Amino acid sequence: GNSVTQMEGPVTLSEEAFLTINCTYTATGYPSLFWYVQYPGEGLQLLLKATKADDKGSNKGFEATYRKETTSFHLEKGSVQVSDSAVYFCAVSSGGSYIPTFGRGTSLIVHP
Amino acid sequence: DAGVIQSPRHEVTEMGQEVTLRCKPISGHDYLFWYRQTMMRGLELLIYFNNNVPIDDSGMPEDRFSAKMPNASFSTLKIQPSEPRDSAVYFCASCHRVSTQYFGPGTRLTVL
Repeated sequence: GNSVTQMEGPVTLSEEAFLTINCTYTATGYPSLFWYVQYPGEGLQLLLKATKADDKGSNKGFEATYRKETTSFHLEKGSVQVSDSAVYFCAVSSGGSYIPTFGRGTSLIVHP
Repeated sequence: DAGVIQSPRHEVTEMGQEVTLRCKPISGHDYLFWYRQTMMRGLELLIYFNNNVPIDDSGMPEDRFSAKMPNASFSTLKIQPSEPRDSAVYFCASCHRVSTQYFGPGTRLTVL
C-alpha cells in the first residue's frame, strides 16, 4: 500500500523565517499528492495539491513540487507568519480507490 | 455551504457507556469517511462509505465500534461500551468522487 513519511516536529521558527517541511512517499501507479493543514481546534483542510510529476501546487504563499525521481513533495514558504502555526499533513492517493494516505503530521510553531 | 457538520463537539463519558457521534456531510458528496486522531497514533482511517454503503471498515479497531449511514445526509459512529483508550478526536470527512476531502471540526471524546 501507499505510505508517507514526514519530518518529525515540532518545527519552531521566528516570524519571517524560511520554512521547509520534508515529505517523501511510496505509492503505486500515478499518485496525486496533497498538503493539508490543521489549525488548533479545527479539522484538516486542503492547502495545496499536485496531480502529476513536476507540477507545483501553491496557496497562501506555500509551495510544493511533485518530484517523481525523488518521490518527494516538500512544503516550502519563504516567510512564515505567526498565523501559520498549525499541523501540516502530507498525503498521497493512487490506485483504484484513490483514498488518501496521510503522514503523521508536522507541527509548526512560529514565534513573533 | 455549511461544510461538514459534526455533533457533539465535545463528549465526556464514563467507561462502559455508549457513545454516538454524528456527522452531516456536504450535500452532493458521495463519499464519507470517519477518522480518529490521537497523539500516539496520528490520524487513522476507521471506515468509509460510498453512496451510503460501507466500503472498507478494516480500520475499525474492534467490535465495540460500529458505523452506519442510513441516508446521504447522515452518518453515526457508535462505541459500545466505551473505554478510556477510546479517548481521541474523531473526524468526519466527505468528498465527491474521491477528490479533495472536506473535514468537519471533529468531536473530542473523553472517556473517564
